[in-house]
Amino acid sequence: GAGVSQSPSNKVTEKGKDVELRCDPISGHTALYWYRQSLGQGLEFLIYFQGNSAPDKSGLPSDRFSAERTGGSVSTLTIQRTQQEDSAVYLCASSLRIGRGQPQHFGDGTRLSIL
Amino acid sequence: AQTVTQSQPEMSVQEAETVTLSCTYDTSESDYYLFWYKQPPSRQMILVIRQEAYKQQNATENRFSVNFQKAAKSFSLKISDSQLGDAAMYFCASASNSGGSNYKLTFGKGTLLTVNP
Repeated sequence: GAGVSQSPSNKVTEKGKDVELRCDPISGHTALYWYRQSLGQGLEFLIYFQGNSAPDKSGLPSDRFSAERTGGSVSTLTIQRTQQEDSAVYLCASSLRIGRGQPQHFGDGTRLSIL
Repeated sequence: AQTVTQSQPEMSVQEAETVTLSCTYDTSESDYYLFWYKQPPSRQMILVIRQEAYKQQNATENRFSVNFQKAAKSFSLKISDSQLGDAAMYFCASASNSGGSNYKLTFGKGTLLTVNP
């Protein structure tokens, strides 16, 4: 398909386990973003990539969260030692390039549930 | 910091009628963009409409239009001839260059729209 693809769609794991979420952006989009959507906090920005570089990691909630992007395409968001408060929908978006006017195109998200 | 406020947690409309969703925002920037996104139960956020702050003319996309009042920092979404497929959570969002962070969207809490047949 031509849209942003995220996997898995749903993930249930036990507290303390590590999880890896994947995002495949629209082909040709240089910018990629991760957001977290939870009932209590609404939509929170986590991190963005321009190419393979993540210039600002200040949105990541703790040092248990990390993200990388390789080849200017696929990105993975890793959460180590998961906690129950990490339960949320993790949304990935991409845009043709960085810029405040650039429409961001979202994937369907990964629903993460920590038991 | 930017803030976006949606004061209506829920709204409902009859099919074929018109509904307006409210949004206010706060920014110190003079140039910024505003967006409305729609999120149906499938979870995918879909861009509905975009407005550039320096443009006086209100953006329109088919049945969707905005009422952008820059001085009042208000950005409402009007949906005309509502259809059952319009039922979704609607998010207002802003993007500015505040602090050099022109890359991220700041979202409101959302308005859940129900369309009654």
